[in-house]
Amino acid sequence: DTEVTQTPKHLVMGMTNKKSLKCEQHMGHRAMYWYKQKAKKPPELMFVYSYEKLSINESVPSRFSPECPNSSLLNLHLHALQPEDSALYLCASSQDLRTSGRVGRSTDTQYFGPGTRLTVL
Amino acid sequence: DAKTTQPPSMDCAEGRAANLPCNHSTISGNEYVYWYRQIHSPGPQYIIHGLKNNETNEMASLIITEDRKSSTLILPHATLRDTAVYYCIVRPAQNTGNQFYFGTGTSLTVIP
Repeated sequence: DTEVTQTPKHLVMGMTNKKSLKCEQHMGHRAMYWYKQKAKKPPELMFVYSYEKLSINESVPSRFSPECPNSSLLNLHLHALQPEDSALYLCASSQDLRTSGRVGRSTDTQYFGPGTRLTVL
Repeated sequence: DAKTTQPPSMDCAEGRAANLPCNHSTISGNEYVYWYRQIHSPGPQYIIHGLKNNETNEMASLIITEDRKSSTLILPHATLRDTAVYYCIVRPAQNTGNQFYFGTGTSLTVIP
């Protein structure tokens, strides 16, 4: 099973709303990621979690708040977003290189979910 | 930041080989070359990766030049379903945070 699931598929929210995006994987991966992708642009890395701890924050505004409650789940809490935050939000997971013990092998390949299409009104 | 350069678009006739180039002239000795593709909205799909040697799997072949400054992804018999954006990514082998930085990619159109 190489599936990463994301819910919801689509989300429309106002600028004053609070919502959450969810991501789940059951591959035993210990690294999980959030990416943001605007139309006709490549995915941009937002956050990296390794062993449920935030290891990378790519200077993302605080209105985006990630959370990793356990090794299988990754959330992205949204509050006071702006219309320009409308985008496809992608989640990915990989087996952390520290557990693979074999850097550069297929075990550190990132597997992506289908994304959540977010529209901020 | 992305360390790769790719042509923005390419066409390929159905049934022919599609050769997608990627320049990574600043690649370091411990950095791997990864290829992903994305078909519209679904998330990027892993294709192949390599370090020095050429690699082949059921989806594609990866040819890396001897100086490692460029590579070519080869889809041996392109089909209409191979129409997608193809991303070439360079990432370090060590555990430096597991980052993937996508370049702008090549939009491949397979023509009937």
